[in-house]
Amino acid sequence: GQQLNQSPQSMFIQEGEDVSMNCTSSSIFNTWLWYKQDPGEGPVLLIALYKAGELTSNGRLTAQFGITRKDSFLNISASIPSDVGIYFCAGQLSGSSNTGKLIFGQGTTLQVKP
Amino acid sequence: KAGVTQTPRYLIKTRGQQVTLSCSPISGHRSVSWYQQTPGQGLQFLFEYFSETQRNKGNFPGRFSGRQFSNSRSEMNVSTLELGDSALYLCASSPWTATTDTQYFGPGTRLTVL
Repeated sequence: GQQLNQSPQSMFIQEGEDVSMNCTSSSIFNTWLWYKQDPGEGPVLLIALYKAGELTSNGRLTAQFGITRKDSFLNISASIPSDVGIYFCAGQLSGSSNTGKLIFGQGTTLQVKP
Repeated sequence: KAGVTQTPRYLIKTRGQQVTLSCSPISGHRSVSWYQQTPGQGLQFLFEYFSETQRNKGNFPGRFSGRQFSNSRSEMNVSTLELGDSALYLCASSPWTATTDTQYFGPGTRLTVL
């Protein structure tokens, strides 16, 4: 099935460092969403993007919807220990056959060393 | 506003049994999507309901079914459970419009099949 290629798969960084992760696809998406998931919990929405080129921030997080509509990135500035978790990108393709259906990347596991 | 709630949070069943999971969406949200999350396959779309109608279905066998009630609450059922059905089942609700679909996830139901 359709997949999103998310990278890197994992990151181990020092507290205070900036983090960048991205998702790419061969298909065009009309929505990009970024989620964070803690162990045993559901994904929590961080940022939603709806237009090509859109750049949106949420505190120390910044995400962009790629101009080609085939990619998106998420940056975290000045990381702190509570940023630890798994980050997922998710996108929605256009068309009625994709209604209500998000396609997810494989996730980026972030570990932060105090 | 209360978030998405899912019951039960944990469930242990044996092969061949059936199970019903419940999801209550955020108040005012009429779209409910269901996903299966496993370490090997990641997050996979099961189906989506809007106004009591299934609008979209993922690539899962017919043992997986669902429904939505007039108050937008949704249930999913898995019959004749198999070991491979062990997973975290997530539901997500959305205020869905024709152009945007921002999904908010519940905490999930952890199903273990023995």
